[in-house]
Amino acid sequence: DVKVTQSSRYLVKRTGEKVFLECVQDMDHENMFWYRQDPGLGLRLIYFSYDVKMKEKGDIPEGYSVSREKKERFSLILESASTNQTSMYLCASSLPGLAYNEQFFGPGTRLTVL
Amino acid sequence: DQQVKQNSPSLSVQEGRISILNCDYTNSMFDYFLWYKKYPAEGPTFLISISSIKDKNEDGRFTVFLNKSAKHLSLHIVPSQPGDSAVYFCAASAQVQGAQKLVFGQGTRLTINP
Repeated sequence: DVKVTQSSRYLVKRTGEKVFLECVQDMDHENMFWYRQDPGLGLRLIYFSYDVKMKEKGDIPEGYSVSREKKERFSLILESASTNQTSMYLCASSLPGLAYNEQFFGPGTRLTVL
Repeated sequence: DQQVKQNSPSLSVQEGRISILNCDYTNSMFDYFLWYKKYPAEGPTFLISISSIKDKNEDGRFTVFLNKSAKHLSLHIVPSQPGDSAVYFCAASAQVQGAQKLVFGQGTRLTINP
């Protein structure tokens, strides 16, 4: 059974704190993704990675960075958290390929920045 | 600019009837279109996809129709069941560095009434 796990379901941080969100997949997938979900906006891609140590900006990368030191782990970093980064964060992984390969999602981390 | 739009935030349907969810897109370069389903407190799960070279794909009770000239796709669920109550996200895919980058719509909350 495929699995994407995220380190926390709920997280509360203060403005200015450095925040790490961790994601681990056990499917040996090359591709990993970080999204945020906000009401009325759907899911928006922050960053993705197509291989270890490789990363690409998504549609809303400002204020975020990522790290992928191992194939199974993809971290999202908020260097200095701000209240407008309060959101649901979703991690996903998929196989590479020219055809569409299903992205498998984790359960999400609801982050609140006070 | 919203490249993928779901203009109906919510939809209510009687059990046993047909549910039709709609989605519009603006970018002709998308190569796949797909639907994800999301229950509360869970990550989205893949439902069905369609290649941009096809106009219909069917999987059990779920059928996706693609009208390229109108840049419109729809998801039909027949017959609708209470377990179908969820938020449905339409997404469009484009290939970037071997990864399928997804652009999501805002989501439609489907409620199936007994």
